[in-house]
Amino acid sequence: GAGVSQSPSNKVTEKGKDVELRCDPISGHTALYWYRQSLGQGLEFLIYFQGNSAPDKSGLPSDRFSAERTGGSVSTLTIQRTQQEDSAVYLCASSRTTGLFYNEQFFGPGTRLTVL
Amino acid sequence: AQSVAQPEDQVNVAEGNPLTVKCTYSVSGNPYLFWYVQYPNRGLQFLLKYITGDNLVKGSYGFEAEFNKSQTSFHLKKPSALVSDSALYFCAVRDVLLIGSGAGSYQLTFGKGTKLSVIP
Repeated sequence: GAGVSQSPSNKVTEKGKDVELRCDPISGHTALYWYRQSLGQGLEFLIYFQGNSAPDKSGLPSDRFSAERTGGSVSTLTIQRTQQEDSAVYLCASSRTTGLFYNEQFFGPGTRLTVL
Repeated sequence: AQSVAQPEDQVNVAEGNPLTVKCTYSVSGNPYLFWYVQYPNRGLQFLLKYITGDNLVKGSYGFEAEFNKSQTSFHLKKPSALVSDSALYFCAVRDVLLIGSGAGSYQLTFGKGTKLSVIP
């Protein structure tokens, strides 16, 4: 399909393990965002990629979280030494970018992470 | 800083009745405003946005929203609710003045969401 895809859809892991979450944005979208959605909360911004520019990491909650985007397309969010409070749905979104930044974001279905 | 508030955690409405989901925002400059809908176990879907121009914005599935600058509001409305409209609705804002000003300046800020239940 032509939408944003994420894998895996569900991930159950043990406390202390590392996890990798993958996002495939819509082809041609230069902007990519990661968000975290916890139960009863809104969306928490994590990181923003724009083309080949340095990412905006200002939303990452700790140094256990990191993300990369290879070739300006696929992105991987890595959480090291997972903790129970990391349990949430991780959403990826992409958008076209114009100089005025008013384009809507297209979201993937999310990865539900459960840390036991 | 930019912020958005959705004052109601839940809204219940009877099928066929008009619905309103409230959103207020705070920005330093002018806002870009968005509404998204999330169905169970799905990602967010874009409904509509306000950039500039007409205060009444029409979007997908018969939804519309009215931008009110004096009240800093962007309430989502629909004249006749359907059971299939039951979902979680999110309002989001981007402060045009902040864009490019530094870390975090490109992000959308989302409200906590309002759960809409349409009762048959």
